[in-house]
Amino acid sequence: GAVVSQHPSRVICKSGTSVKIECRSLDFQATTMFWYRQFPKQSLMLMATSNEGSKATYEQGVEKDKFLINHASLTLSTLTVTSAHPEDSSFYICSARGRGTGYNSPLHFGNGTRLTVT
Amino acid sequence: DQQVKQNSPSLSVQEGRISILNCDYTNSMFDYFLWYKKYPAEGPTFLISISSIKDKNEDGRFTVFLNKSAKHLSLHIVPSQPGDSAVYFCAASPNSGNTPLVFGKGTRLSVIA
Repeated sequence: GAVVSQHPSRVICKSGTSVKIECRSLDFQATTMFWYRQFPKQSLMLMATSNEGSKATYEQGVEKDKFLINHASLTLSTLTVTSAHPEDSSFYICSARGRGTGYNSPLHFGNGTRLTVT
Repeated sequence: DQQVKQNSPSLSVQEGRISILNCDYTNSMFDYFLWYKKYPAEGPTFLISISSIKDKNEDGRFTVFLNKSAKHLSLHIVPSQPGDSAVYFCAASPNSGNTPLVFGKGTRLSVIA
């Protein structure tokens, strides 16, 4: 089945630094990747949608200058949390949809990245 | 405004019995529904889905029921096993293009041996 790899699985950084999270589709071409964030005991909240070769679309309330998304190839999307603050500490999860698959096919998720900003 | 609602944050079930997890939605444009299972510090794993043209889909111990008129779906797990203990998320997608999934808040299932 489709595999999505996310790296790193866990990162601790100091306030004010930037952190990059990678999301790769291992056995399929991901034309669209979705980035979600989950706070403790909360749902998975969509942050942004990225299509290969174009700018990401951000959800309301998500700062595009703070959460930089790059989807330069069909197998890789990156999320960079710039100038991280403790309130950015969360669990970030990417998901990918393959070429030729539509809304009525499951999204496959990476294993998530636990970001802790001290 | 929560478009997908899982009103029970937790559920405990005896091993061997049936687990029933419920989900309600408000958006009539939702056309495709999924259940995901999630362990702590891991991404969600796809479990089972159902299209709005069906009212039931079965896969082994897992069955999803959809009641479109009530905007309600449920996941039945029978028999429940201790390994089923996890957080279960209900998700939905509208009938349009390349859209993301909208998730409920999840229900933590504990299967007691």
